[in-house]
Amino acid sequence: DVKVTQSSRYLVKRTGEKVFLECVQDMDHENMFWYRQDPGLGLRLIYFSYDVKMKEKGDIPEGYSVSREKKERFSLILESASTNQTSMYLCASGSNRDRDSYEQYFGPGTRLTVT
Amino acid sequence: SQKIEQNSEALNIQEGKTATLTCNYTNYSPAYLQWYRQDPGRGPVFLLLIRENEKEKRKERLKVTFDTTLKQSLFHITASQPADSATYLCAPRGGYNKLIFGAGTRLAVHP
Repeated sequence: DVKVTQSSRYLVKRTGEKVFLECVQDMDHENMFWYRQDPGLGLRLIYFSYDVKMKEKGDIPEGYSVSREKKERFSLILESASTNQTSMYLCASGSNRDRDSYEQYFGPGTRLTVT
Repeated sequence: SQKIEQNSEALNIQEGKTATLTCNYTNYSPAYLQWYRQDPGRGPVFLLLIRENEKEKRKERLKVTFDTTLKQSLFHITASQPADSATYLCAPRGGYNKLIFGAGTRLAVHP
Protein backbone atom coordinates (compact mmCIF):
# COMPACT_ATOMS: atom_id res chain seq x y z
CA ASP A 1 0.00 0.00 0.00
CA VAL A 2 1.14 3.48 -0.82
CA LYS A 3 1.75 5.50 2.23
CA VAL A 4 2.00 9.26 2.42
CA THR A 5 2.79 10.62 5.85
CA GLN A 6 2.82 14.17 7.12
CA SER A 7 4.88 15.34 10.05
CA SER A 8 2.02 16.68 12.19
CA ARG A 9 -1.77 16.31 12.33
CA TYR A 10 -2.23 19.55 14.26
CA LEU A 11 0.03 22.56 14.54
CA VAL A 12 -0.38 25.92 16.27
CA LYS A 13 2.06 28.70 15.40
CA ARG A 14 2.34 32.39 16.05
CA THR A 15 2.22 35.12 13.42
CA GLY A 16 5.68 35.71 11.96
CA GLU A 17 7.06 32.28 12.82
CA LYS A 18 8.77 30.14 10.19
CA VAL A 19 6.83 26.91 9.73
CA PHE A 20 7.97 23.65 8.17
CA LEU A 21 5.50 21.01 7.02
CA GLU A 22 7.06 17.75 5.93
CA CYS A 23 5.70 15.01 3.71
CA VAL A 24 7.18 11.60 3.01
CA GLN A 25 6.01 8.96 0.52
CA ASP A 26 7.25 5.39 0.23
CA MET A 27 6.29 4.45 -3.35
CA ASP A 28 9.10 6.00 -5.39
CA HIS A 29 6.68 8.50 -6.94
CA GLU A 30 8.25 11.23 -9.00
CA ASN A 31 5.42 13.73 -8.48
CA MET A 32 4.58 15.35 -5.17
CA PHE A 33 2.07 18.09 -4.38
CA TRP A 34 1.09 20.49 -1.63
CA TYR A 35 -2.52 21.70 -1.38
CA ARG A 36 -4.45 23.73 1.10
CA GLN A 37 -8.13 23.08 1.73
CA ASP A 38 -10.54 25.70 3.01
CA PRO A 39 -14.32 25.40 3.42
CA GLY A 40 -16.16 26.19 0.20
CA LEU A 41 -12.94 26.57 -1.79
CA GLY A 42 -11.88 22.99 -2.28
CA LEU A 43 -8.27 21.93 -2.64
CA ARG A 44 -6.00 24.58 -4.08
CA LEU A 45 -2.55 23.70 -5.39
CA ILE A 46 0.30 25.59 -3.74
CA TYR A 47 3.37 23.95 -5.29
CA PHE A 48 4.27 20.69 -6.93
CA SER A 49 7.45 18.87 -7.84
CA TYR A 50 8.03 16.37 -10.63
CA ASP A 51 11.59 15.42 -9.71
CA VAL A 52 14.23 15.94 -7.07
CA LYS A 53 15.21 19.61 -6.74
CA MET A 54 12.49 20.57 -9.27
CA LYS A 55 9.51 22.66 -8.29
CA GLU A 56 6.63 24.37 -10.02
CA LYS A 57 4.26 27.02 -8.70
CA GLY A 58 0.65 26.06 -8.37
CA ASP A 59 -2.30 28.40 -8.18
CA ILE A 60 -1.54 30.05 -4.82
CA PRO A 61 2.23 30.04 -4.17
CA GLU A 62 2.45 33.44 -2.50
CA GLY A 63 3.80 33.24 1.04
CA TYR A 64 5.07 29.68 0.58
CA SER A 65 8.20 27.94 -0.60
CA VAL A 66 9.10 24.27 -1.02
CA SER A 67 12.10 22.00 -0.92
CA ARG A 68 12.69 18.59 -2.46
CA GLU A 69 16.17 17.35 -1.73
CA LYS A 70 15.24 13.65 -1.79
CA LYS A 71 12.73 11.86 -3.97
CA GLU A 72 10.60 10.67 -1.07
CA ARG A 73 10.41 13.95 0.84
CA PHE A 74 8.67 17.23 -0.04
CA SER A 75 8.66 20.09 2.43
CA LEU A 76 6.39 23.13 2.52
CA ILE A 77 7.77 26.24 4.20
CA LEU A 78 5.86 29.24 5.43
CA GLU A 79 8.60 31.85 5.70
CA SER A 80 6.59 34.15 7.98
CA ALA A 81 3.27 32.67 9.02
CA SER A 82 0.20 34.85 8.84
CA THR A 83 -3.34 34.31 10.13
CA ASN A 84 -4.68 33.91 6.58
CA GLN A 85 -2.52 30.79 6.27
CA THR A 86 -4.63 29.02 8.87
CA SER A 87 -5.89 26.03 6.91
CA MET A 88 -5.76 22.28 6.32
CA TYR A 89 -2.62 21.37 4.37
CA LEU A 90 -2.61 18.19 2.33
CA CYS A 91 0.34 16.52 0.67
CA ALA A 92 -0.06 14.08 -2.21
CA SER A 93 2.14 11.97 -4.44
CA GLY A 94 1.64 10.25 -7.77
CA SER A 95 3.37 8.75 -10.75
CA ASN A 96 3.06 9.22 -14.50
CA ARG A 97 3.87 5.50 -14.77
CA ASP A 98 0.38 4.85 -13.38
CA ARG A 99 -1.31 5.40 -16.74
CA ASP A 100 -4.54 3.62 -15.73
CA SER A 101 -5.50 6.14 -13.11
CA TYR A 102 -2.89 8.92 -12.63
CA GLU A 103 -4.07 8.61 -9.05
CA GLN A 104 -2.88 11.04 -6.43
CA TYR A 105 -2.31 9.51 -2.99
CA PHE A 106 -2.97 11.87 -0.14
CA GLY A 107 -1.58 12.13 3.34
CA PRO A 108 -3.86 12.61 6.37
CA GLY A 109 -3.41 16.40 6.39
CA THR A 110 -2.01 18.94 8.82
CA ARG A 111 -4.42 21.39 10.39
CA LEU A 112 -2.38 24.55 10.92
CA THR A 113 -3.63 27.38 13.10
CA VAL A 114 -1.73 30.67 13.07
CA THR A 115 -2.56 32.94 15.99
CA SER B 1 -9.75 30.89 -16.01
CA GLN B 2 -10.52 27.21 -15.44
CA LYS B 3 -13.48 26.71 -13.16
CA ILE B 4 -15.00 23.61 -11.56
CA GLU B 5 -18.52 23.65 -10.12
CA GLN B 6 -20.06 21.07 -7.84
CA ASN B 7 -23.29 21.39 -5.89
CA SER B 8 -22.38 23.15 -2.68
CA GLU B 9 -25.52 21.97 -0.93
CA ALA B 10 -25.48 18.58 0.71
CA LEU B 11 -27.31 15.76 -1.01
CA ASN B 12 -29.55 13.76 1.32
CA ILE B 13 -30.91 10.45 0.09
CA GLN B 14 -32.50 7.32 1.47
CA GLU B 15 -30.54 4.09 1.76
CA GLY B 16 -30.94 1.91 -1.32
CA LYS B 17 -31.55 4.80 -3.69
CA THR B 18 -29.17 6.04 -6.38
CA ALA B 19 -27.15 9.16 -5.58
CA THR B 20 -26.21 11.40 -8.49
CA LEU B 21 -23.60 14.11 -8.12
CA THR B 22 -22.80 16.70 -10.77
CA CYS B 23 -19.52 18.30 -11.83
CA ASN B 24 -19.41 21.10 -14.39
CA TYR B 25 -16.25 22.67 -15.74
CA THR B 26 -15.66 25.72 -17.91
CA ASN B 27 -12.97 27.31 -20.03
CA TYR B 28 -10.99 24.20 -20.90
CA SER B 29 -11.12 20.64 -22.16
CA PRO B 30 -9.50 18.16 -19.77
CA ALA B 31 -8.01 14.96 -21.15
CA TYR B 32 -9.44 13.07 -18.16
CA LEU B 33 -11.39 13.61 -14.99
CA GLN B 34 -11.07 11.92 -11.61
CA TRP B 35 -13.43 11.47 -8.68
CA TYR B 36 -12.24 11.27 -5.07
CA ARG B 37 -13.95 10.52 -1.78
CA GLN B 38 -13.07 12.47 1.35
CA ASP B 39 -14.13 11.59 4.89
CA PRO B 40 -14.03 14.22 7.66
CA GLY B 41 -10.51 14.92 8.89
CA ARG B 42 -8.87 12.73 6.26
CA GLY B 43 -7.20 13.14 2.90
CA PRO B 44 -9.11 12.39 -0.32
CA VAL B 45 -9.07 8.85 -1.70
CA PHE B 46 -9.14 8.13 -5.43
CA LEU B 47 -12.22 6.37 -6.81
CA LEU B 48 -12.33 6.52 -10.61
CA LEU B 49 -10.75 8.11 -13.68
CA ILE B 50 -12.61 8.67 -16.94
CA ARG B 51 -10.90 9.83 -20.13
CA GLU B 52 -12.26 12.30 -22.68
CA ASN B 53 -12.87 9.52 -25.22
CA GLU B 54 -14.92 7.45 -22.74
CA LYS B 55 -18.60 8.10 -22.24
CA GLU B 56 -19.04 5.98 -19.15
CA LYS B 57 -16.97 4.07 -16.58
CA ARG B 58 -18.17 1.65 -13.92
CA LYS B 59 -16.62 0.21 -10.79
CA GLU B 60 -18.82 -1.95 -8.57
CA ARG B 61 -21.70 0.34 -7.46
CA LEU B 62 -20.09 3.45 -8.95
CA LYS B 63 -20.73 4.86 -12.39
CA VAL B 64 -19.20 7.97 -13.92
CA THR B 65 -20.16 9.68 -17.16
CA PHE B 66 -18.22 12.32 -19.06
CA ASP B 67 -19.95 14.60 -21.57
CA THR B 68 -17.32 16.77 -23.25
CA THR B 69 -19.98 18.70 -25.18
CA LEU B 70 -21.87 19.70 -22.04
CA LYS B 71 -18.57 19.95 -20.11
CA GLN B 72 -20.08 17.85 -17.39
CA SER B 73 -19.43 14.67 -15.43
CA LEU B 74 -22.05 12.79 -13.45
CA PHE B 75 -21.12 10.48 -10.58
CA HIS B 76 -23.66 7.83 -9.56
CA ILE B 77 -23.71 5.53 -6.54
CA THR B 78 -26.33 2.83 -6.90
CA ALA B 79 -27.91 0.99 -3.97
CA SER B 80 -26.45 3.61 -1.65
CA GLN B 81 -25.53 2.76 1.94
CA PRO B 82 -24.94 4.92 5.02
CA ALA B 83 -21.23 4.04 4.67
CA ASP B 84 -21.23 5.98 1.38
CA SER B 85 -21.80 9.22 3.33
CA ALA B 86 -18.81 11.45 2.60
CA THR B 87 -17.75 14.41 0.49
CA TYR B 88 -17.09 13.63 -3.16
CA LEU B 89 -14.60 15.70 -5.13
CA CYS B 90 -14.43 16.10 -8.87
CA ALA B 91 -10.94 16.72 -10.30
CA PRO B 92 -10.41 17.32 -14.01
CA ARG B 93 -6.86 17.32 -15.30
CA GLY B 94 -5.61 20.88 -15.24
CA GLY B 95 -2.36 20.55 -17.14
CA TYR B 96 0.70 18.32 -17.09
CA ASN B 97 0.74 16.46 -13.76
CA LYS B 98 -1.92 18.74 -12.32
CA LEU B 99 -5.51 18.38 -11.19
CA ILE B 100 -8.04 21.10 -10.48
CA PHE B 101 -10.35 20.14 -7.64
CA GLY B 102 -13.94 21.17 -7.17
CA ALA B 103 -15.11 22.17 -3.70
CA GLY B 104 -16.95 18.87 -3.35
CA THR B 105 -20.49 17.75 -2.64
CA ARG B 106 -21.38 16.24 0.71
CA LEU B 107 -23.54 13.15 0.47
CA ALA B 108 -25.59 11.90 3.42
CA VAL B 109 -27.28 8.51 3.08
CA HIS B 110 -29.97 7.94 5.68
CA PRO B 111 -31.08 4.48 6.88
